[in-house]
Amino acid sequence: KQEVTQIPAALSVPEGENLVLNCSFTDSAIYNLQWFRQDPGKGLTSLLLIQSSQREQTSGRLNASLDKSSGRSTLYIAASQPGDSATYLCAVPLLMDSNYQLIWGAGTKLIIKP
Amino acid sequence: NAGVMQNPRHLVRRRGQEARLRCSPMKGHSHVYWYRQLPEEGLKFMVYLQKENIIDESGMPKERFSAEFPKEGPSILRIQQVVRGDSAAYFCASAARTTPNYGYTFGSGTRLTVV
Repeated sequence: KQEVTQIPAALSVPEGENLVLNCSFTDSAIYNLQWFRQDPGKGLTSLLLIQSSQREQTSGRLNASLDKSSGRSTLYIAASQPGDSATYLCAVPLLMDSNYQLIWGAGTKLIIKP
Repeated sequence: NAGVMQNPRHLVRRRGQEARLRCSPMKGHSHVYWYRQLPEEGLKFMVYLQKENIIDESGMPKERFSAEFPKEGPSILRIQQVVRGDSAAYFCASAARTTPNYGYTFGSGTRLTVV
């Protein structure tokens, strides 16, 4: 049974720092892994999708890495800004017969202090 | 393209009432998924629907919960006789295809509060 864990549950850092968010999964046979951002009271925004054959994906100041063998992914945020404050979620797909569903971590709540 | 539209954004119901949550998928998307996010927890899959068909409802409670996606109109998630434990954020997502490579597009969610 696939389980996804995110540590820490909350993180507060000063503006300008680089930081790393962690995501681990118990079944390494994943199809891909996706990072999302959730702002308070709002929906989910997809940040990066990293395929199982890839080691990393980059978008602007964000870099996601994937190590299937160890069951881990990291989201690296460079030069953090107050606008990066949000909850960051990771998810992996669980393939079913005719569709798939996402298995989610509980998220890391990130606060960037000005 | 307005994206995935969910309404209402916030819904307050007294215990025992019915809650109806609506989701209009993105234009051209025929696959709809509902997820529930309990406070301080990750999202959990509830149900997957295509037009006029429930494909997978393995994540939906057997009682009081139902979902539909009619030929015309939005998908509806219905919760009858709500209880305090139903208080959560309910997210709808739509997709053009069911392979993981294409991902979902999520709506902004409906936050249900049962008082």
